[in-house]
Amino acid sequence: DAGVIQSPRHEVTEMGQEVTLRCKPISGHNSLFWYRQTMMRGLELLIYFNNNVPIDDSGMPEDRFSAKMPNASFSTLKIQPSEPRDSAVYFCASSIQSLNTEAFFGQGTRLTVV
Amino acid sequence: GENVEQHPSTLSVQEGDSAVIKCTYSDSASNYFPWYKQELGKRPQLIIDIRSNVGEKKDQRIAVTLNKTAKHFSLHITETQPEDSAVYFCAEQYGNKLVFGAGTILRVKS
Repeated sequence: DAGVIQSPRHEVTEMGQEVTLRCKPISGHNSLFWYRQTMMRGLELLIYFNNNVPIDDSGMPEDRFSAKMPNASFSTLKIQPSEPRDSAVYFCASSIQSLNTEAFFGQGTRLTVV
Repeated sequence: GENVEQHPSTLSVQEGDSAVIKCTYSDSASNYFPWYKQELGKRPQLIIDIRSNVGEKKDQRIAVTLNKTAKHFSLHITETQPEDSAVYFCAEQYGNKLVFGAGTILRVKS
């Protein structure tokens, strides 16, 4: 298995534009997490899904952020409109939904909003 | 809600010395405590974990201890090497939700 795959690896966009980040979890994993990493706030959990259903989106900072998981092999995180303070590295991670299992991270998407 | 505090934020040790990173958590229902290592520009990767029914676990130079009564868990790295330099994150799992501490920058000086 190629692991968790995220795209794009880097994204530079202008303020106000829509940004879509993509994630393909490891096959057979049924939990998916979106994290945002910045120097100031560390690794923040934005939202997670179990069996394609959003379970907890309390970490989503604003209504500008939305996430979907239309099927077991694909998830998106969308920011519309984007702002400079959204600049960060966004990680997707997946695991098997049971207690005490390792979460595997993708390579991350480095987002820069200018 | 879930909250993990991690200390110190930075740690500098001489090669060969030991390093200890400590975390505290707030939710007594948390049952799984992994530690991740993140090298510069790379993804976090699991290095060791401990479950709530175990007090200590060791893997070569790395060990983790858990005190459920005090809600503390710690990472111990012995005989540190330059390649141990990285950011280390503790985490707690409550149900299926995985929440991370703020991270510790470990620098091993040779």
